Amino acid sequence: GESVGLHLPTLSVQEGDNSIINCAYSNSASDYFIWYKQESGKGPQFIIDIRSNMDKRQGQRVTVLLNKTVKHLSLQIAATQPGDSAVYFCAENGGNRDDKIIFGKGTRLHILP
Amino acid sequence: DAGVIQSPRHEVTEMGQEVTLRCKPISGHNSLFWYRQTMMRGLELLIYFNNNVPIDDSGMPEDRFSAKMPNASFSTLKIQPSEPRDSAVYFCASRQAERLGNNEQFFGPGTRLTVL
Repeated sequence: GESVGLHLPTLSVQEGDNSIINCAYSNSASDYFIWYKQESGKGPQFIIDIRSNMDKRQGQRVTVLLNKTVKHLSLQIAATQPGDSAVYFCAENGGNRDDKIIFGKGTRLHILP
Repeated sequence: DAGVIQSPRHEVTEMGQEVTLRCKPISGHNSLFWYRQTMMRGLELLIYFNNNVPIDDSGMPEDRFSAKMPNASFSTLKIQPSEPRDSAVYFCASRQAERLGNNEQFFGPGTRLTVL
């Protein structure tokens, strides 16, 4: 079936550097995408979202890029900090008009001192 | 606001026993979701409710699983009988469905279930 996937299960980044977490999706009907952050022992937390009528959206220290041509989504974190250590999930709506979203497997971001 | 509240936070039980997980969504939210998270399968949607009505339960693994939402401030996920393969972290999330432009779901802290 169609699914949301991630290129790398673990990403190690030097503190202070920028992090880029990638996500590939296969459902061309998806028109809404979300990034979540999950810290150890906690539930996922919303970071940023983007709709398919946009190719870039910025938040506080985070930027999401959407390339619909190649069905690729990325999350950029500027000046990575120790508190950014977590598992990051991309999620898509699969074209659903209801509340249902589909989560990818996740990428663990590890911050090096 | 206290956020989404789940109880218990940890549950250890023996195979065959009944397990009931509880969730209190954020006040004013009218959509509620139950997820299961495992290393092998990731985060899976089990069932969700809109205005206390089950909308999609296609993710419920089998008849041993059932969920109810008797009112806007409470939901339960029940497993009867439980099996070791049900061991996972179960999350509840809620959302204000009528809010435009944002599909943000607010997750609870989860219940870690271990079935021996």
